[in-house]
Amino acid sequence: GQNIDQPTEMTATEGAIVQINCTYQTSGFNGLFWYQQHAGEAPTFLSYNVLDGLEEKGRFSSFLSRSKGYSYLLLKELQMKDSASYLCAVRETGGFKTIFGAGTRLFVKA
Amino acid sequence: SAVISQKPSRDICQRGTSLTIQCQVDSQVTMMFWYRQQPGQSLTLIATANQGSEATYESGFVIDKFPISRPNLTFSTLTVSNMSPEDSSIYLCSVDLGPKDGAFFGQGTRLTVV
Repeated sequence: GQNIDQPTEMTATEGAIVQINCTYQTSGFNGLFWYQQHAGEAPTFLSYNVLDGLEEKGRFSSFLSRSKGYSYLLLKELQMKDSASYLCAVRETGGFKTIFGAGTRLFVKA
Repeated sequence: SAVISQKPSRDICQRGTSLTIQCQVDSQVTMMFWYRQQPGQSLTLIATANQGSEATYESGFVIDKFPISRPNLTFSTLTVSNMSPEDSSIYLCSVDLGPKDGAFFGQGTRLTVV
């Protein structure tokens, strides 16, 4: 079956670092994505991992371990505007079909 | 990148009626995807729309309820038929430009069925 798990909510303080974890079990794997979605808006692409290891992009980094079915999104130097939902998504093999997790709602407080 | 124009942005509909949602992409893409997002929840894939062939529906979604058209490589429509209040949701179309760019989404259609 297909299952993507991530925490429902997290709270962090402005300027801090937060790690959002994601575990997945899918029928195939052709890459893992993280998306950011502000309330009332469409998701926007943040990162992509297909090989094990860390991908860094500015304040955001994403890590993947395929053997463990595990990924995390690391957000550094948190800003109030980072308050949003973060969606972990896995692309299945053989095409572009992407399965989304339920999302983690991040609250950044002053 | 891709720019997707989706309309309508929102609508309030009577139960039993149908609504057609349109998505226009600024470039030619092979596949377009239709998602549903219930309030506070993540995206659920409804179907994949391929140009020149019938759409591929996910488990729990059927063509009679959600007919899809894909007349060319830049345009698709999703119809929500015989609506009930349970169909109240946000509907999003999407294209995937590959791993380096990820998926791009339309602005979404917020549907309320009364």
